[in-house]
This record gives sequence, structure tokens and C-alpha cells, in this order.
Amino acid sequence: DIQMTQSPSSLSPSVGDRVTITCRASQSISNYLNWYQQKPGKAPKLLIYAASNLQSGVPSRFSGSGSGTDFTLTISSLQPEDFATYYCQQTYSTLWTFGQGAKVEF
Amino acid sequence: QVQLQESGPGLVKPSQTLSLTCTVSGASISSGSYYWSWIRQPAGKGLEWIGHVYTLGSTNYNPSLESRVTISLDTSKNQFSLRLNSVTAADTAVYYCARGRVQYYFYSLDVWGQGTTVTVSS
Repeated sequence: DIQMTQSPSSLSPSVGDRVTITCRASQSISNYLNWYQQKPGKAPKLLIYAASNLQSGVPSRFSGSGSGTDFTLTISSLQPEDFATYYCQQTYSTLWTFGQGAKVEF
Repeated sequence: QVQLQESGPGLVKPSQTLSLTCTVSGASISSGSYYWSWIRQPAGKGLEWIGHVYTLGSTNYNPSLESRVTISLDTSKNQFSLRLNSVTAADTAVYYCARGRVQYYFYSLDVWGQGTTVTVSS
């Protein structure tokens, strides 16, 4: 299995801050990396696919970068509605796996 | 606009079979190249991919569940389903159905159902 490790597990930024979340794969996954946002009691929402492509309708303050084993999700200026848990996911192998999540909280 | 909706029993007894259905609206599950997927999330924990069924009917499962799981399509009802045998308390979770999309050979889960809670208890 390809293990996905996110850091930090939680963070408490302020509105307007630049936020960076990292995801590391246990082996190279090329660009087969997606980012999701999940709010309490809701289903995850796709933000970024193929490491750096913004899903339609997602605000441009979200961006993704990386390739191989190291990836980053950046929120350029945190908004109140961005407080949520963020998950990375690899689809390089036939067994799709998620990171453990990174909670952006007050 | 494509929408997915899970349905099924909220309570299942240990050793029995968990059966859920995902009804798709706004698109035909037999058209295009999509991977109709199930994902689960125990309370307070992360996401676990269970498996998917491709538009043409082939399947792929998480090896940790493969011996107990079946995912299938019902094109007449525009639904796909999950069956998980021999459940234990460890299978208690919110179960999500989702559409797996392929763009330029990259896969992602772009549409999700709202989720349904399944509790395994006697």
C-alpha cells in the first residue's frame, strides 16, 4: 500500500493568513494526487486534482503543487469558510489511499 | 447536475450483511468512463476507500475488504450498490458513494453523496 502522511495534523491560523498543508507519499506517485475539503457533517469536496489543477467552481485562493512524493496545498488568504479538514488522496496505485487529514481550526 | 444519494439500513447486526444503494440522478451510470465508488469514514476518523465499479462493470476493491465486499451496477434503476458481508463493530461508519472521474489519465472523486451512517450492533 502507498501510505500518505499529512502535516501538520492540525493548525490554528487566522483569517487572512497564508496556509500550507503538506502531503508526503511513501513512494513516488507522479502527479496522481488530489486534495479534498471536508466540513463537519458533510461529504468531502474535491478542490485540486492531478496535484495542481483547480476543480471547477473552487476559489482561486486554493492551489496545489508538487510531484513524486511531496505535495503542498496552499490557501493564499484564509477565509472564514475555509475552516475544515483537508485530505490528500493518491490514485497512482489500484488501491486508492487517503492521508489522515489536516484540520484547520480556530 | 449530477447528484448521488445513499440509502439503506442504518443498523446492521454483527455477522450479517450490510447493503447500501446509491441512486444517481442527472447522468446515466452506463455512459461515459466513470468509476462508481464507495468510501467510508468511522466517526472522528479519516477516509477509507472501499472500492469501485467501472461503467462497463469491472470492479476494484481495497484488499483489506476484498474477501467481504461486492460492488455492482443496476443500470435499469441507474443505481450502484455495496454489499459487505460478515460485518463487525469495526464496520460502523458513515458510508459515502461517489463518482470517480478520469481526466487526462488522472482519477479523482468529483461528486459525492451526502453519506449515510451505518451502525453495527446487536
